Amino acid sequence: QITLKESGPTLVEPTQTLTLTCSFSGFSLTTSGVGVGWIRQTPGKALEWLGVIYWDNDKRYRPSLANRLTITRDTSKSQVVLTMTNVDPGDTGTYYCAQGTGVYYVWGQGTVVTVSP
Amino acid sequence: DIEMTQSPSTLSASIGHRVTISCRASQSVRGWLAWYQQKPGKAPNLLIYQASTLHYGVPSRFSGSASETEFTLTISSLQPDDFATYYCQQYGELPWTFGQGTKVE
Repeated sequence: QITLKESGPTLVEPTQTLTLTCSFSGFSLTTSGVGVGWIRQTPGKALEWLGVIYWDNDKRYRPSLANRLTITRDTSKSQVVLTMTNVDPGDTGTYYCAQGTGVYYVWGQGTVVTVSP
Repeated sequence: DIEMTQSPSTLSASIGHRVTISCRASQSVRGWLAWYQQKPGKAPNLLIYQASTLHYGVPSRFSGSASETEFTLTISSLQPDDFATYYCQQYGELPWTFGQGTKVE
């Protein structure tokens, strides 16, 4: 059974760096064809794809956010980490990690992040 | 970015009725289109990928079709568990993009 779970701070101040961890089980991120993506859901923009890390450690980011996003992995811990710098209130929302490269087959439950002073 | 436009935004329907949701892509996505169902407070769940392939465990009352840049999700006979918001997503060209959602009430 594949499961994913996001964790991280619920409140972040503007200009700070947000770090979210996706802990997963039931698959290996070193298996060919496998990826883990990050998607967020904000009140004004519905679902927004942020980026993906692939089995070969290749990464792709949403161009409009690429200068603020970094996705890394720790295969020994079965974790993927999303780092977003210089957050602002517009980054408030629910952040999901999900298994897949283009289509996302299994999603985590999501973690709510509020950006506020 | 490829823009995905869903219609309608909200749809009122009764149990047992046939429901159709449309999704239009601003350019070709070569059939790389997925549909998700989301219930309040929950993560989206994959229903269909590659425009018409039913994901494992999804009831057969759900189906998807495609014609060029027009995609359709059909629920043949609406069930109580189907009241939710539905999203299309293209993965034909980065960055992947989602439609704005269709709420079935």
